[in-house]
Amino acid sequence: GAGVSQTPSNKVTEKGKYVELRCDPISGHTALYWYRQSLGQGPEFLIYFQGTGAADDSGLPNDRFFAVRPEGSVSTLKIQRTERGDSAVYLCASSPTSGSVSYNEQFFGPGTRLTVL
Amino acid sequence: KQEVTQIPAALSVPEGENLVLNCSFTDSAIYNLQWFRQDPGKGLTSLLLIQSSQREQTSGRLNASLDKSSGRSTLYIAASQPGDSATYLCAELSYNTDKLIFGTGTRLQVFP
Repeated sequence: GAGVSQTPSNKVTEKGKYVELRCDPISGHTALYWYRQSLGQGPEFLIYFQGTGAADDSGLPNDRFFAVRPEGSVSTLKIQRTERGDSAVYLCASSPTSGSVSYNEQFFGPGTRLTVL
Repeated sequence: KQEVTQIPAALSVPEGENLVLNCSFTDSAIYNLQWFRQDPGKGLTSLLLIQSSQREQTSGRLNASLDKSSGRSTLYIAASQPGDSATYLCAELSYNTDKLIFGTGTRLQVFP
């Protein structure tokens, strides 16, 4: 596709449930990022993939959060035992290989708004 | 810990004004700085990216500058229009990492 896509656009769940959020990056982009944005704040980094492997997962808040990118394209962010504090907009971004002419410019998807009741 | 600060937090101006949004950062090893626009309930649209070796970038009515020595970047919007109303975020990328560090944004309203 032309840009980064994310599904679903909105997700409402109950406390304690499991959710999966999907990101489809720009075709050919090897780097993929997940960020979380709370109301009135800037996005905060969660995890970064280079290809299939997580190169930096230092932003994941705890072990309830996990992300995969098994084939180096689509990524899924998984949240177990959701809590009300997990409510936020989850943003995905992708960028070309490091060192390309795009200088690590990150292109963002529309986000998934997660609401935990 | 690297921090990015944006001033002002909110700005309301009449149509046609030229305006400046400010971004300051503490990272001395900045690789690039990106300016984004975010409309309510939407994702981020990249506006301009400035490499650490550059001083400024221009796109249409937008001009972004970067001063590494003072840790500041500015986004200049010429002849503002109501359609420019949005939240503007700056984010820096360090040489030591691949994650963007964002400011909290400036919420801009341009009224007719």
